[in-house]
Amino acid sequence: AQSVTQPDIHITVSEGASLELRCNYSYGATPYLFWYVQSPGQGLQLLLKYFSGDTLVQGIKGFEAEFKRSQSSFNLRKPSVHWSDAAEYFCAVGIIQGAQKLVFGQGTRLTINP
Amino acid sequence: GAVVSQHPSRVICKSGTSVKIECRSLDFQATTMFWYRQFPKQSLMLMATSNEGSKATYEQGVEKDKFLINHASLTLSTLTVTSAHPEDSSFYICSARDSGSEAFFGQGTRLTVV
Repeated sequence: AQSVTQPDIHITVSEGASLELRCNYSYGATPYLFWYVQSPGQGLQLLLKYFSGDTLVQGIKGFEAEFKRSQSSFNLRKPSVHWSDAAEYFCAVGIIQGAQKLVFGQGTRLTINP
Repeated sequence: GAVVSQHPSRVICKSGTSVKIECRSLDFQATTMFWYRQFPKQSLMLMATSNEGSKATYEQGVEKDKFLINHASLTLSTLTVTSAHPEDSSFYICSARDSGSEAFFGQGTRLTVV
């Protein structure tokens, strides 16, 4: 069955520091991979997505992610975080068959220290 | 990007009553809409997938008679929580997909049953 694992429930980094959020997936075919961000009480905003091609994808707000098939990973990175990046981050895999549902990871809560 | 509007953003209802949540795609036609439920500090769990003009497909364990989904047009899907109970209190999020491969999310609805 398809699944997504985000090993880190909560991460705290200092403002200006680099960030990496981990994501591992389990899916039998070539995955569609997504990273979303959710602010408290809000819906989800798409940061970036990988469908095919270049394994390093650039997203909004200075985020990037790298697809590594051999490791079944799609880690999210940002070289220098801002206080406004504090939020919940979700990795998701798109199930291509049928209606293309999204299976989400458990989420990683990011806290930024001033 | 495309906009999905969800209404209401918050609702409080009495136990035993029914509540309707609307999800509208404002600037595109949504061939498929998805309804998710999110418990506090947890991930999004897909409840059902709906296609315009056809019956919704519910995920395993979701009561179709309790969570009524109607997708009457290409821009509107509704979720009705019937005979609501306190355990139905949750954050409900819809997403909509056009003919492409990206899903756009609404702002979410916080349902509190008292």
